[in-house]
Amino acid sequence: EDKVVQSPLSLVVHEGDTVTLNCSYEVTNFRSLLWYKQEKKAPTFLFMLTSSGIEKKSGRLSSILDKKELFSILNITATQTGDSAIYLCAVPTNFGNEKLTFGTGTRLTIIP
Amino acid sequence: DVKVTQSSRYLVKRTGEKVFLECVQDMDHENMFWYRQDPGLGLRLIYFSYDVKMKEKGDIPEGYSVSREKKERFSLILESASTNQTSMYLCASSLPVQGPQETQYFGPGTRLLVL
Repeated sequence: EDKVVQSPLSLVVHEGDTVTLNCSYEVTNFRSLLWYKQEKKAPTFLFMLTSSGIEKKSGRLSSILDKKELFSILNITATQTGDSAIYLCAVPTNFGNEKLTFGTGTRLTIIP
Repeated sequence: DVKVTQSSRYLVKRTGEKVFLECVQDMDHENMFWYRQDPGLGLRLIYFSYDVKMKEKGDIPEGYSVSREKKERFSLILESASTNQTSMYLCASSLPVQGPQETQYFGPGTRLLVL
């Protein structure tokens, strides 16, 4: 059975700290891994990592994919209160119909 | 910009009622999805559709049905609502995969409370 596991479930840090969120996966026919940020409502897309793009960076956020060890990390440096959100990791698990399996998410809270 | 809208942000229903949740996307996406999101369980796929009148069960289809009569609209139906269906419901849409995974775009969610 395909599985995506995120850790920690919850994280509270002070503004300015650096955080690392983890996502491990077990899936047949791996193609890509996606990170989403969910604030009050809809998850919004952050990064997609594939075999040909195992590191992505956007401002203070960066993500790497380790295909050998089957995990990804999302790093946020110099955190701000606006980074408070649930961060979701997802992996497509069905050829052709793009079904995504999500992890449980990590709830990140940044204290001013 | 892709826009996915859901008919209600908050909904309160009684046990046994029939509930319709509507989702509309304006980007001509073939694929549409319904998830529920619960604390500690993450997003779980209920049903998805890859074309008009086509549907496939996701991981937790029991107690739900769907309808896709038009490409832009995907409805989730709770035939007889139960308290364990109290949840946040999220709709998403995407293009078919042409290579690497195309991202899914999410609606704002409907928070359903069943009393």
